[in-house]
Amino acid sequence: NAGVTQTPKFRVLKTGQSMTLLCAQDMNHEYMYWYRQDPGMGLRLIHYSVGEGTTAKGEVPDGYNVSRLKKQNFLLGLESAAPSQTSVYFCASSPLSGRAYEQYFGPGTRLTVT
Amino acid sequence: QQPVQSPQAVILREGEDAVINCSSSKALYSVHWYRQKHGEAPVFLMILLKGGEQKGHDKISASFNEKKQQSSLYLTASQLSYSGTYFCGTEVAPNAGNMLTFGGGTRLMVKP
Repeated sequence: NAGVTQTPKFRVLKTGQSMTLLCAQDMNHEYMYWYRQDPGMGLRLIHYSVGEGTTAKGEVPDGYNVSRLKKQNFLLGLESAAPSQTSVYFCASSPLSGRAYEQYFGPGTRLTVT
Repeated sequence: QQPVQSPQAVILREGEDAVINCSSSKALYSVHWYRQKHGEAPVFLMILLKGGEQKGHDKISASFNEKKQQSSLYLTASQLSYSGTYFCGTEVAPNAGNMLTFGGGTRLMVKP
């Protein structure tokens, strides 16, 4: 199993450009998440999904949109990139399995907006 | 609200012990601990659920004091491989989606 994969690994955008980050998981997990991590800081939740076709806002959703058309994929979109969105983006997934669960993280996408 | 971790950074010699704390202003349902090495993704260590249980994995263990809304991670006889940034993630109530709020992290460096 590949686990959680993210595409692309690196990207440089100019202010105002748009892009989509792709997250894929092959563990049949119900829950998926998008986080951003700024230098020297913790993870902040952008959006999450509790199942195919459903999404919800997290802690810092402004400037981002998401879609989950297939259970295994979770897309994060930036419609008009801003320098403040320069960050490392992590996708994660989690099973729906009672009280004991963990989040499995992808390798991250490093995004720079100039 | 983001949980507060302390200390922010710690330097150890191989074989020394360390304690990392995670405190919340809200009543907690669960606390998760992750370790992240530089340039890599966070990796799960353990979960502690409401009930004050203590867990352990090899020489890393943790406790959860729900009355104090605090969790502590104990690293015993540290190894070079323990170096990295440790994050706690907290859940204030069972929620659809198992959402976590992460602390700012504690940087741990183990030297030979």
